[in-house]
Amino acid sequence: DAGVIQSPRHEVTEMGQEVTLRCKPISGHNSLFWYRQTMMRGLELLIYFNNNVPIDDSGMPEDRFSAKMPNASFSTLKIQPSEPRDSAVYFCASSLGAFSYNEQFFGPGTRLTVL
Amino acid sequence: DQQVKQNSPSLSVQEGRISILNCDYTNSMFDYFLWYKKYPAEGPTFLISISSIKDKNEDGRFTVFLNKSAKHLSLHIVPSQPGDSAVYFCAARIGGATNKLIFGTGTLLAVQP
Repeated sequence: DAGVIQSPRHEVTEMGQEVTLRCKPISGHNSLFWYRQTMMRGLELLIYFNNNVPIDDSGMPEDRFSAKMPNASFSTLKIQPSEPRDSAVYFCASSLGAFSYNEQFFGPGTRLTVL
Repeated sequence: DQQVKQNSPSLSVQEGRISILNCDYTNSMFDYFLWYKKYPAEGPTFLISISSIKDKNEDGRFTVFLNKSAKHLSLHIVPSQPGDSAVYFCAARIGGATNKLIFGTGTLLAVQP
C-alpha cells in the first residue's frame, strides 16, 4: 500500500488567498484525521471523520477553516482566507476502526507558508 | 490548556547509553497512551503504547512506563542508536468510543555516535 497520500507537499501563498490541502487515506481505513503541527503547540487535532462523517471538529481554530470528506478515499482541508499565523505543517492520518487501539497512520504532511 | 506536556524540547545522549523521554498529563480520564516517532520531512509513526491498566510495556529496545498516581509516563530506549535521532511525541486518548488523541509538543532526541 502507498500509505496516506497528501498534496501538495509544500504550499506558499499570500495572506488572504484560499488554500486547499488534500488527503487520500489508506484504502479500507474508515477514520481520517487532520492535524496541525507547530513548535508551540505540537500536534493539534483539527477534525476527524468516521465513515466520512465529521465526528469532532472542536479543534478547528476558526470559521476560516473547513474540512470535507466526500467519499472514503478523499478529504480536503480548506483555509479561506489564509493568514500568516496559519503557517504550519498539516498532517492527515487514517486508521481502521473507531478506537485508538487501532494505530493511526500519518501522511508526510503539507508545509504551508502564508506570507 | 496543554493536557499532555513534554517539558524537555530536546535531549542529547551518547550512542549505547539509555535515553529517557518524559511526558506528563493532567486529565485522569486518559486510558491509553502512545509514543510516536517523527523523522524530518516525514509523518509521525507509531512506536509503542500502554494501557492505563498496566504500568510497563516493553518492545525490544523500547520500554514505556506509566505512573498513574503521578500522571507521568516515560519512554526508555536502551541502548540508544544514532538512528533513534528523531522527534518523539507522547499522545493520550480519552476513554470511550473515540479515536481522538491528544499529543504533546514533542522532544527532539539526538543520539551522538
